[in-house]
Amino acid sequence: KAGVTQTPRYLIKTRGQQVTLSCSPISGHRSVSWYQQTPGQGLQFLFEYFSETQRNKGNFPGRFSGRQFSNSRSEMNVSTLELGDSALYLCASKDQSSAETQYFGPGTRLLVL
Amino acid sequence: TQLLEQSPQFLSIQEGENLTVYCNSSSVFSSLQWYRQEPGEGPVLLVTVVTGGEVKKLKRLTFQFGDARKDSSLHITAAQPGDTGLYLCAGAPSGNTPLVFGKGTRLSVIA
Repeated sequence: KAGVTQTPRYLIKTRGQQVTLSCSPISGHRSVSWYQQTPGQGLQFLFEYFSETQRNKGNFPGRFSGRQFSNSRSEMNVSTLELGDSALYLCASKDQSSAETQYFGPGTRLLVL
Repeated sequence: TQLLEQSPQFLSIQEGENLTVYCNSSSVFSSLQWYRQEPGEGPVLLVTVVTGGEVKKLKRLTFQFGDARKDSSLHITAAQPGDTGLYLCAGAPSGNTPLVFGKGTRLSVIA
């Protein structure tokens, strides 16, 4: 099976802009989670979607949002970008039958100038 | 909020040496996972431990889950340059609640 794919891999934006990142989970996986990874804070949970519904949400401002489509692909959106949003954004999918094993994509590295 | 503290943050050793990385919390986790992440890539799952006191071996890597399910360790025997990377521990609080990640240990093995 193909692994988790994320597009784009790299992105440069300026403050105030918005950005949309995409994630395609492993075929058959219905749960998709998003994380933000920075050197100072490590990996922080953003949100999880399962069957097009947000199931869990981390402690991030409302500028961060996401959605999941019927084919389980997911997008996350960040509006009004701030310099501190520069990070590696990781997506992970999992098979609900093995709820604690998730597989990560390579990430999208976002730089906000 | 449940936290996982990893130590050390950074480790630089010579090829052939042994090392241990620690992951500690004051909270109980239903399971604990270890990942390795290489530059430009996402974390890759190495192992999941679920039972207090459990020990799992993966070639030269030995993982242990504390009896009280609050801490874990990763021991690498005879480290090789290919072991270089960021090692992350992640705890599952319970049920379908999100994983809690430690900040990681960055290991560099010098040939």
